[in-house]
Amino acid sequence: DAGITQSPRHKVTETGTPVTLRCHQTENHRYMYWYRQDPGHGLRLIHYSYGVKDTDKGEVSDGYSVSRSKTEDFLLTLESATSSQTSVYFCAISDPGISYNSPLHFGNGTRLTVT
Amino acid sequence: RKEVEQDPGPFNVPEGATVAFNCTYSNSASQSFFWYRQDCRKEPKLLMSVYSSGNEDGRFTAQLNRASQYISLLIRDSKLSDSATYLCVVSSLTSGTYKYIFGTGTRLKVLA
Repeated sequence: DAGITQSPRHKVTETGTPVTLRCHQTENHRYMYWYRQDPGHGLRLIHYSYGVKDTDKGEVSDGYSVSRSKTEDFLLTLESATSSQTSVYFCAISDPGISYNSPLHFGNGTRLTVT
Repeated sequence: RKEVEQDPGPFNVPEGATVAFNCTYSNSASQSFFWYRQDCRKEPKLLMSVYSSGNEDGRFTAQLNRASQYISLLIRDSKLSDSATYLCVVSSLTSGTYKYIFGTGTRLKVLA
């Protein structure tokens, strides 16, 4: 299995508080992605990174920010959590620079509940 | 219209049956295609990549039809352990970066 660690695995927080989720990889992959998964919507891309300090928005980026100061770490921050951000968050990595047919590999996910 | 569409199912099939899933995509510039399997409350795991000429891995066969913009997954001799959600994933190079777009998944339940 690809070396991807997400932390925390579970978190309950209150509306209006800031939350940061961490993704750590040991594969030296260039690309890192944050997805959220909700019933009826499947996996939706929040933000992604294609290198250190290189990030871009996905389809559901409002209310989220990201940072990547090192190849191995990709942080997702909810500046002021809302109940609509209750979800399961998955980090994924890939290395399409080696092969365009490079698949995604996922972390175990973070279950976030905003009360 | 969603970029990647799948029939959500559920598909309820008896053990030993053959079942097929289809997935359509709208971006004709899509480059790479994958099938993932996701068990309840777990992360998606790569089942197989899909190549232009079609490819097989044991009981699983994947095919790509670029002209009609769909991919398919065939599972032969279904096992109880095949019960899961199957996700279609399409990758494209957009503005110099790679994105992976997921279908919402097709649920399969194999019955004893």
